[in-house]
Amino acid sequence: AQSVTQLGSHVSVSEGALVLLRCNYSSSVPPYLFWYVQYPNQGLQLLLKYTSAATLVKGINGFEAEFKKSETSFHLTKPSAHMSDAAEYFCAVKNSGGSNYKLTFGKGTLLTVNP
Amino acid sequence: DAGVTQSPTHLIKTRGQHVTLRCSPISGHKSVSWYQQVLGQGPQFIFQYYEKEERGRGNFPDRFSARQFPNYSSELNVNALLLGDSALYLCASSPPPGGPGELFFGEGSRLTVL
Repeated sequence: AQSVTQLGSHVSVSEGALVLLRCNYSSSVPPYLFWYVQYPNQGLQLLLKYTSAATLVKGINGFEAEFKKSETSFHLTKPSAHMSDAAEYFCAVKNSGGSNYKLTFGKGTLLTVNP
Repeated sequence: DAGVTQSPTHLIKTRGQHVTLRCSPISGHKSVSWYQQVLGQGPQFIFQYYEKEERGRGNFPDRFSARQFPNYSSELNVNALLLGDSALYLCASSPPPGGPGELFFGEGSRLTVL
């Protein structure tokens, strides 16, 4: 069974500071990995995805994530936080083969950006 | 191009009632999935439909059902509503198979059960 653990339900940073949101996954087969962002009262928007093509993945809004198989991690980073980055972020995993219809999400990390 | 559209956006029901939620996928997407997001949690998988057939079902009771129509739109039905069914119900569509199958989500239908 696949699972996702997001370390830290709430992360607070100052505007201009580094953003680091942690995600560890468990999967019995090579995974596809995703980061989604959810703004208040909205649906989920895809930030970036890992599909085994490259371990460092660049997404929208200046975010990137690095796949580390040895650490089973897929942490999300952004060099300089902006006020508009305040939102909830979800990491998700999907099996790359077989019945790959289901995304399994972590519980989310709420990012607060302080002026 | 229009994204995934869901209706209604908000609704209030009482315990024991029935609810139908609707979803239209992105044009060209033949797969629709439904997720339940309880406040403070990540989305939980309910169903996936592809080409009008159920391809996957999450750990939800039989009170939850869904179907997909020939135009690939979908309905989620929940019978005998419980207070615990209060949640944001998200619909997502996926591109054709062959890729990672990332999900594109709608804005959701927020259901409150009183």
